[in-house]
Amino acid sequence: SQQGEEDPQALSIQEGENATMNCSYKTSINNLQWYRQNSGRGLVHLILIRSNEREKHSGRLRVTLDTSKKSSSLLITASRAADTASYFCATDAEPRGFSGGYNKLIFGAGTRLAVHP
Amino acid sequence: DVKVTQSSRYLVKRTGEKVFLECVQDMDHENMFWYRQDPGLGLRLIYFSYDVKMKEKGDIPEGYSVSREKKERFSLILESASTNQTSMYLCASSILTVSSYEQYFGPGTRLTVT
Repeated sequence: SQQGEEDPQALSIQEGENATMNCSYKTSINNLQWYRQNSGRGLVHLILIRSNEREKHSGRLRVTLDTSKKSSSLLITASRAADTASYFCATDAEPRGFSGGYNKLIFGAGTRLAVHP
Repeated sequence: DVKVTQSSRYLVKRTGEKVFLECVQDMDHENMFWYRQDPGLGLRLIYFSYDVKMKEKGDIPEGYSVSREKKERFSLILESASTNQTSMYLCASSILTVSSYEQYFGPGTRLTVT
């Protein structure tokens, strides 16, 4: 089952512009993560935001989390051609309080970002 | 740096063949995962393992089996490959933790079944 759903499915911008991607999910979560995937490669972890956090920064990345709306956004500022990739949100698959520790994640279908020079 | 390696980047197999996909991680992680990725569907969990010889079904285990004989190695087996198993297969690993943590991914194996 798909927990996170990214929006938009595809985004095309010019270098220097900001890119915003959104993620909505259905059930309560402990954490939400964002990953990047360059074409035909594995995923790389970008940032993790916990359910008690509202905003987190990492370099040019800014992630917000609104648990009341069950949504998150990823903002990439001053985008570069090298940011061209697919971006996925992932939420933990286990309900709050589960202590199995399996770290199962549920991924959305992703947003394809193209940054043009 | 965590390294997760997968045995092949590209693989072409015939229908009915038995296919082995190997994944090795070098960070002593307890958890290992196999996903398949298809356009528009994102990543779907096939199987995961939290310890040697332990395995749990994910969301789409049908047609697949796994083996974890050593902590660092997690194998995905397609007993009799079919064309609908043509996909990108991604392996990942992570520590065993009470709350979700990042997963480290291998480069992926693009499998084509003809």
